[in-house]
Amino acid sequence: GQNIDQPTEMTATEGAIVQINCTYQTSGFNGLFWYQQHAGEAPTFLSYNVLDGLEEKGRFSSFLSRSKGYSYLLLKELQMKDSASYLCAVRDRVGNTPLVFGKGTRLSVIA
Amino acid sequence: EPEVTQTPSHQVTQMGQEVILRCVPISNHLYFYWYRQILGQKVEFLVSFYNNEISEKSEIFDDQFSVERPDGSNFTLKIRSTKLEDSAMYFCASSRSSGYNEQFFGPGTRLTVL
Repeated sequence: GQNIDQPTEMTATEGAIVQINCTYQTSGFNGLFWYQQHAGEAPTFLSYNVLDGLEEKGRFSSFLSRSKGYSYLLLKELQMKDSASYLCAVRDRVGNTPLVFGKGTRLSVIA
Repeated sequence: EPEVTQTPSHQVTQMGQEVILRCVPISNHLYFYWYRQILGQKVEFLVSFYNNEISEKSEIFDDQFSVERPDGSNFTLKIRSTKLEDSAMYFCASSRSSGYNEQFFGPGTRLTVL
């Protein structure tokens, strides 16, 4: 079966750094995506990893270790607007195939 | 910036009624998807569509569901006889055939079945 695990909730302080972990066990692997979802809104694409290592995009970075089935999303210089759910999703086959989502991590940024 | 659009934003219907959810994918995208998210749960795949036919569907996508691309822009999801458990947010997504192939999601239709 397909299994993607993330912490349910996290809280962090404005201006700080937070790391959201994701572990996956899927039948195959062809890329891992992170999406941000504000309450009642659509998921919006944040990052993509298919090779091991760190991908940096402004305040957001994402890391992948395929051998460990592990990824994390790192958010720096947290802002109140970063309060949202962060969804880890895996593509388990080559091509434009469906994404398998984790349950998401609800991040609350406090002053 | 181009975006996926969906109508209506909220649909309330009686159990047993038919509903049609509409989506306009990004114009140069070739792959289209429907996902749903029951309140408080994870996003789940329903169906994918390419070259005017279903390319893949999940166990959720049973005979009560159908999809159609009636013209060059719209992509619809029909539920023939709605059940209480169909209440969810339904997201349409589209992707290119190159690059990351990341999927761009529409704002969703909240379906409430009474």
